Amino acid sequence: AQKITQTQPGMFVQEKEAVTLDCTYDTSDQSYGLFWYKQPSSGEMIFLIYQGSYDEQNATEGRYSLNFQKARKSANLVISASQLGDSAMYFCAMRERTKAAGNKLTFGGGTRVLVKP
Amino acid sequence: DVKVTQSSRYLVKRTGEKVFLECVQDMDHENMFWYRQDPGLGLRLIYFSYDVKMKEKGDIPEGYSVSREKKERFSLILESASTNQTSMYLCASTTRDFPPNEQFFGPGTRLTVL
Repeated sequence: AQKITQTQPGMFVQEKEAVTLDCTYDTSDQSYGLFWYKQPSSGEMIFLIYQGSYDEQNATEGRYSLNFQKARKSANLVISASQLGDSAMYFCAMRERTKAAGNKLTFGGGTRVLVKP
Repeated sequence: DVKVTQSSRYLVKRTGEKVFLECVQDMDHENMFWYRQDPGLGLRLIYFSYDVKMKEKGDIPEGYSVSREKKERFSLILESASTNQTSMYLCASTTRDFPPNEQFFGPGTRLTVL
């Protein structure tokens, strides 16, 4: 069984500052993928960034970067230069490859970020 | 752009009613998923389907069933709704290819069971 842990239920960040959202995972699989999603108050889930377990470099997408430490089983999301629009729930998720070749995701409990002006 | 639509944004039902939640995707994705989202628990997988008429149980299938008669449509069924099924329900779809093949989500259905 896989498990994703996000230990920060909520946090404040000052506008224009960077923020790190923690995510640790537990898996015995060698091949897996890690995702971060953003959920604004409107409710839709927005895909932010992906890291494959065999990727040697940390993933980056604009202001988002993923600090992947495989030995520690952590995949922290770093948001640089926070903006008011970054206020949202953020979910870390891991993909398991099921025997049916599906793309099942296991999600963490989420971290609510509130950006202060 | 991929579009995943859900039949209702808000739904209010009474205990014991049979409830159907519909999800449709327009990108010919093989895999479709139903999650429920509750505060502090994140998203939990109820059922998923990797092909027409194929389904697998997720982590919390009790009290739910699903139907996938066509590739683009995946239905979640609450045979006899109960108050503990009050929740946000999210549908998602993705391709079978790797990577990253992220899941694309619908807008969600907030279900209240009275």
